[in-house]
Amino acid sequence: QSALTQPPSASGSPGQSVTISCTGTSSDVGGYNYVSWYQQHPGKAPKLMIYEVNKRPSGVPDRFSGSKSGNTASLTVSGLQAEDEADYYCSSYAGHNNLFGTGTKVTVL
Amino acid sequence: QLQLQESGPGLVKPSETLSLSCTVSGGSISSSTYYWGWIRQPPGKGLEWIGTIYYTGTTYYNPSLKSRVTMSVDTSKNQFSLKVSSVTAADTAVYYCARQGLYNYDYDYWGQGTLVTVSS
Repeated sequence: QSALTQPPSASGSPGQSVTISCTGTSSDVGGYNYVSWYQQHPGKAPKLMIYEVNKRPSGVPDRFSGSKSGNTASLTVSGLQAEDEADYYCSSYAGHNNLFGTGTKVTVL
Repeated sequence: QLQLQESGPGLVKPSETLSLSCTVSGGSISSSTYYWGWIRQPPGKGLEWIGTIYYTGTTYYNPSLKSRVTMSVDTSKNQFSLKVSSVTAADTAVYYCARQGLYNYDYDYWGQGTLVTVSS
C-alpha cells in the first residue's frame, strides 16, 4: 500500500487561506468518508484537526475545514495565524488498513 | 483526561526485537468503541501506520510490516504492546501509541512518542 500524496509545502501570509490536497485511490480516500487530518509541530505528537472528512473535534478553531471530491481530500486553513505553521498529514481508512499522507509543511510568511 | 504513555528501550541492536508498551490512564482499554494503534515516524520523515488492536485481541497490521510485527493487549494492566522482530536501521523512528475510533478510524489521543534507535 502506498502513502497518500500531499504537496511537500504550502504557504500564505497571516490572514490568508491555504489549501492542502491529499490524493489517494478509490480503495481509500475515494471509497470511504473516513479521512482525517493531523497537525504536528516540531518535536510534538500529531493532533487531530479534522475527522470524517469535514468534522472538527471540540476545541479546534473553525478556521480549519475539510472536504473531499472523488479520490482527493482537502484541508483549508482560513485566516492563517502564526501558530498554524506546522506539518499537516492526512489519513484515510482503507479497509482495516490505515494510510497516512506524505505530509505538507505549512509556512506562515 | 485520557493519557497514553509509551515505554521501552531507546536502543535496539540490528536483528534483535524491538519491544514497546503503551499504558493508558484516565480511561479503560476495554472500551468497546475504540481501537488502539501504533504509528511510527522516522527522523525527518512522515507518519507510518504499524497496526491496530482491539481489547479482545483482534489485530490488523500494515501489510508491509506484517511478517515482523506482533501486537498484544493486557486489559488487567490497561496496556497494549508492540514487538517488531529482525530490526534494521530502517526501523529507527519515533514510535507513537494512539487511540483510534471504532467507527470513524481517527486517532484522537496520542502518546508523546518514544525514539527507538537501531544501532550496534
